[in-house]
Amino acid sequence: GAGVSQSPRYKVAKRGQDVALRCDPISGHVSLFWYQQALGQGPEFLTYFQNEAQLDKSGLPSDRFFAERPEGSVSTLKIQRTQQEDSAVYLCASSESSVEQFFGPGTRLTVL
Amino acid sequence: AQSVTQLDSQVPVFEEAPVELRCNYSSSVSVYLFWYVQYPNQGLQLLLKYLSGSTLVKGINGFEAEFNKSQTSFHLRKPSVHISDTAEYFCAVSDSGGGADGLTFGKGTHLIIQP
Repeated sequence: GAGVSQSPRYKVAKRGQDVALRCDPISGHVSLFWYQQALGQGPEFLTYFQNEAQLDKSGLPSDRFFAERPEGSVSTLKIQRTQQEDSAVYLCASSESSVEQFFGPGTRLTVL
Repeated sequence: AQSVTQLDSQVPVFEEAPVELRCNYSSSVSVYLFWYVQYPNQGLQLLLKYLSGSTLVKGINGFEAEFNKSQTSFHLRKPSVHISDTAEYFCAVSDSGGGADGLTFGKGTHLIIQP
């Protein structure tokens, strides 16, 4: 079946703009994760959903970052008033078993 | 808190030679261990995982890894590499205590296959 998809694949924003990144998980996967991968680094955990409930948002770097999954399927990561340090690849992963995570291709965000 | 250390940022290897990518972890609880591969401009693909049982785990593309609890290591090996193995490799750990847990990744090792 289809894997995890993310859109857009590339996003360029001017500093101060708001952006919204979308994740479509594998159908039926109840767990959904967001990660931030800075250039040359490993991914870092941002937040986790089980169905529509956001159970862990300890990795969100500031209150400018907000994630939602209102119907327990598609998720959106929103970044308000983007700053240059927000430039990174944002990865989404979904899981059925809560152990093995399947990753999407990521959205590369560049803030100018 | 957990952490993962991948000591080698780059590993150059000649084609058909063996390779070992090192991974050490630190955790106060029992863990699951993973190796992921990332090709340019793509997401992460799971190579293999250790959950329990045999400490030697085999994955896709001829890779294997051995869990060593006393040394808190989970090194990745392949007996003969191919040019197509050129990629970034990430070791990751998660809490095995139940419930979903975000993965903690190392900084990655760039495997460079030289012809």
